[in-house]
Amino acid sequence: AQSVTQPDIHITVSEGASLELRCNYSYGATPYLFWYVQSPGQGLQLLLKYFSGDTLVQGIKGFEAEFKRSQSSFNLRKPSVHWSDAAEYFCAVGESGNDYKLSFGAGTTVTVRA
Amino acid sequence: DVKVTQSSRYLVKRTGEKVFLECVQDMDHENMFWYRQDPGLGLRLIYFSYDVKMKEKGDIPEGYSVSREKKERFSLILESASTNQTSMYLCASSLSTSGRFRDTQYFGPGTRLTVL
Repeated sequence: AQSVTQPDIHITVSEGASLELRCNYSYGATPYLFWYVQSPGQGLQLLLKYFSGDTLVQGIKGFEAEFKRSQSSFNLRKPSVHWSDAAEYFCAVGESGNDYKLSFGAGTTVTVRA
Repeated sequence: DVKVTQSSRYLVKRTGEKVFLECVQDMDHENMFWYRQDPGLGLRLIYFSYDVKMKEKGDIPEGYSVSREKKERFSLILESASTNQTSMYLCASSLSTSGRFRDTQYFGPGTRLTVL
């Protein structure tokens, strides 16, 4: 079974600074990878996903993520954060052959300071 | 826009009560999901449904059941609520295409359930 690790529980970043959130997965084959964001009081929203092809994926709200097979990682980045990016971010992995199940990481909470 | 609504944002129940959490989606999605979200654990799948009256257990189905009588509505039932079921419950839906879990899941705002 696959597992997902988000090593950082909480990150604080200044507005305008860059942001990188780490995600590592454990899975034998090529995984299907997702990043979701949960703003306060709201449900999760998909930021981006990777299935195959170009390993650098562009998403909504100015986010991008890079799949690195050698490092089993799918880190999320944003060059310049806005106060509205304060939220909890979840990495998720889908397993080929298990049609419905996504495994989620524990989440990283991002605080943006002025 | 896809809309997934959940019947309550906050719910307080007593131990032993039967609890119903309702979820409705307005986009004619085949798949619907119930997750539980706890700090430090992320989201864990309780049950999902890929069609009316069809359901499959997820990772943590014990103590829960589900009902899907209509395509747009998916109910989570706590037969006899216990304090360890105090949590945030999230419903999601997705349109079924060739790769089911690859379909974007759309989430509701969640129901924060407290069992006293």
